[in-house]
Amino acid sequence: AQSVTQLDSHVSVSEGTPVLLRCNYSSSYSPSLFWYVQHPNKGLQLLLKYTSAATLVKGINGFEAEFKKSETSFHLTKPSAHMSDAAEYFCVVRATGRRALTFGSGTRLQVQP
Amino acid sequence: DTEVTQTPKHLVMGMTNKKSLKCEQHMGHRAMYWYKQKAKKPPELMFVYSYEKLSINESVPSRFSPECPNSSLLNLHLHALQPEDSALYLCASSRLGATGLDTEAFFGQGTRLTVV
Repeated sequence: AQSVTQLDSHVSVSEGTPVLLRCNYSSSYSPSLFWYVQHPNKGLQLLLKYTSAATLVKGINGFEAEFKKSETSFHLTKPSAHMSDAAEYFCVVRATGRRALTFGSGTRLQVQP
Repeated sequence: DTEVTQTPKHLVMGMTNKKSLKCEQHMGHRAMYWYKQKAKKPPELMFVYSYEKLSINESVPSRFSPECPNSSLLNLHLHALQPEDSALYLCASSRLGATGLDTEAFFGQGTRLTVV
């Protein structure tokens, strides 16, 4: 069975400082991993995806994530936070052969001016 | 066009009403999904359609009835809902890859449903 754990329910950073949102996954097979962002009262937007190609994945809006199989992690980073980054972030896994996405519990990112 | 369009954006309905949520995509995706999201929670899968056929029903109560009339449209028919069914209902679609497996999902903006 696959699962994903987001280690922080809430992260607060100052504008211009780095962002780190942590995600660990559990999957029986090689998974596909995604990060989605959800702004208040909006749908989900795909930030980036890992599907067994390069382990360092670059996404939109300056975000990137590194797949580390030995640590079963897929942490999301951004060098410099912007006020518009304030949102809910979901780490999502799809195990090989599985139809459905499994969502983490989410991390709320707050960006202070 | 990389959009999934959901209508209406907001819906208030009584417990005896019948209403429908609509979802449309023109990306040629052959997998479509309904998710339910309660406040401050992650989305929960309700239904999956692939090639216009229902392939997954996550034990959803029969007061929710999905329909996929063609490859671009997905409906969710609602009848006799309860106040606890109030939530954001998200539609998503994805391309079916060469192996028949889904690729990343594209989500609509959702329908905010309130049952009174």
